[in-house]
Amino acid sequence: NAGVTQTPKFQVLKTGQSMTLQCAQDMNHEYMSWYRQDPGMGLRLIHYSVGAGITDQGEVPNGYNVSRSTTEDFPLRLLSAAPSQTSVYFCASSYSRWDRGFGEQFFGPGTRLTVL
Amino acid sequence: EDQVTQSPEALRLQEGESSSLNCSYTVSGLRGLFWYRQDPGKGPEFLFTLYSAGEEKEKERLKATLTKKESFLHITAPKPEDSATYLCAVQGGGAQKLVFGQGTRLTINP
Repeated sequence: NAGVTQTPKFQVLKTGQSMTLQCAQDMNHEYMSWYRQDPGMGLRLIHYSVGAGITDQGEVPNGYNVSRSTTEDFPLRLLSAAPSQTSVYFCASSYSRWDRGFGEQFFGPGTRLTVL
Repeated sequence: EDQVTQSPEALRLQEGESSSLNCSYTVSGLRGLFWYRQDPGKGPEFLFTLYSAGEEKEKERLKATLTKKESFLHITAPKPEDSATYLCAVQGGGAQKLVFGQGTRLTINP
């Protein structure tokens, strides 16, 4: 199993450009999520999905779009990049147990994004 | 609103010097409290899940405990390879998401 994979590993954008961060998992997990990590602020949830065709907003969703057409893939789209979106982005997946909540989340290696 | 606060922000220990990291939380109906380890330049790696007050879990030199207001990650006789950032997160009742603390950066000097 590859686990959770993310591409690209590094990306530099200019203000106003758009791009898609890719995330895929091969563990058949229902739940997938995107976080951003900034110094001193921990991990903040951007968007999440509890299954194919279902997405919802997290704590910091502005400027980002997601879709979940398959169980395996959960891409994150930056519509018009801004310097404030410079961050490290992590994708994660887990199974869901409705009686006890989530299982452990498996994280990808991250994408380091710089917006000039 | 669910909140998680970790302390200290950073901790430096000598090899073999035991200590504890704290995770204080406020949540409506805790469904799970999670501990993760994160090495520089990598994604977080799962350590433990605790579900109810009084529960304890151990893994090598690490032991996690849970009360109704906080969790502790005890590290016994740490080694330099235990150096990392340790993250705490909670899932509240009815919430389909985790809330993370800021993390504690632990450094173990040989």
